[in-house]
Amino acid sequence: SQQGEEDPQALSIQEGENATMNCSYKTSINNLQWYRQNSGRGLVHLILIRSNEREKHSGRLRVTLDTSKKSSSLLITASRAADTASYFCATDPKAAGNKLTFGGGTRVLVKP
Amino acid sequence: DVKVTQSSRYLVKRTGEKVFLECVQDMDHENMFWYRQDPGLGLRLIYFSYDVKMKEKGDIPEGYSVSREKKERFSLILESASTNQTSMYLCASSFDHYSNQPQHFGDGTRLSIL
Repeated sequence: SQQGEEDPQALSIQEGENATMNCSYKTSINNLQWYRQNSGRGLVHLILIRSNEREKHSGRLRVTLDTSKKSSSLLITASRAADTASYFCATDPKAAGNKLTFGGGTRVLVKP
Repeated sequence: DVKVTQSSRYLVKRTGEKVFLECVQDMDHENMFWYRQDPGLGLRLIYFSYDVKMKEKGDIPEGYSVSREKKERFSLILESASTNQTSMYLCASSFDHYSNQPQHFGDGTRLSIL
């Protein structure tokens, strides 16, 4: 079963705009992670936010975590055509031993 | 950087064949995982392993088995391939199951069963 559910399922924006996607989950977690997948390739880890953190930045990426609402958001600022990919959130539930549960992903298209 | 290598990017096999998918990681990670990815269903965990010769079932283990004889290698075996096992297979590894660490993925094997 998928614990993380991303919203929206697909997003189309112009280069230079910001892209925001959300993830909701159901159980208590150790951390929440975001991954990117380019078409036909494996997943690449982007950022990990621990359950006691509220916000984290990495380059043009900003992730927030609200454990009271069991939700997270990923913001990509000043998007580029190379950001076109699918983005997945994954939760690391407590006592699951790094056995991640992935959401269905958000497909992002950045038009030049 | 961690490198996770899957033996084939594309593979075509016939129904009933025994199929081996190989995965090797080069960072001495304890954990290794096999997922399948299908449109609309996301990533689903097939099997995982926390140590050599150790394996645990994931969410969809039916029709699959695994082998971990060496720490760096985790093999997925389709005992008798069926058309509903046509999918993208992804291998991943992570440091251990105690710390907050990401998983590192290989490039995937797109398997077609005819």
